[in-house]
Amino acid sequence: SQQGEEDPQALSIQEGENATMNCSYKTSINNLQWYRQNSGRGLVHLILIRSNEREKHSGRLRVTLDTSKKSSSLLITASRAADTASYFCATDADYGQNFVFGPGTRLSVLP
Amino acid sequence: NAGVTQTPKFQVLKTGQSMTLQCAQDMNHNSMYWYRQDPGMGLRLIYYSASEGTTDKGEVPNGYNVSRLNKREFSLRLESAAPSQTSVYFCASSGPLAGGYTGELFFGEGSRLTVL
Repeated sequence: SQQGEEDPQALSIQEGENATMNCSYKTSINNLQWYRQNSGRGLVHLILIRSNEREKHSGRLRVTLDTSKKSSSLLITASRAADTASYFCATDADYGQNFVFGPGTRLSVLP
Repeated sequence: NAGVTQTPKFQVLKTGQSMTLQCAQDMNHNSMYWYRQDPGMGLRLIYYSASEGTTDKGEVPNGYNVSRLNKREFSLRLESAAPSQTSVYFCASSGPLAGGYTGELFFGEGSRLTVL
């Protein structure tokens, strides 16, 4: 089945640094979404990028999408300890009926 | 504004017991989903319901049944629990994007199930 794969699996940075996570997927998509999950909590939607968009910003988040390479990246600028969480990309598997999630990137931001 | 509410939050079962996870959303969304999350595997879709009265299998439906009771509620039932069903279960709902695509997913806080 189509699946997003995040890279790296784990990332540890200092507060104030930028964090970049990548997502690769296998087949054509309509849109791609990024989610954050704090330990022991549900997932929270961060940003959605459509297949005809190349870049999108939301606050300290920047998402890019390269459909020719079937990849996306999530950049968090000026990271904070509160950004410590797991980050997942999700791609729509068929005509918008459901999404497939990757295994996630665990980000640790050290104070 | 509750969003998506799941109950129970924690449950311990013995092998062979049955139970139902309840989910309700107050956002008037058509689509609802049940996922399970296991360490290192991300979220896997069990069942989803694109609208009231319809349900469809996802990636890992075996051992589960669902009921879309009305537009608000979507329940997940384990008829005979097995240790392999030990997991964290998440319910989610979504509304539509323009063009018929599914928009962002809103998740509940999860139900942690242990099967002994």
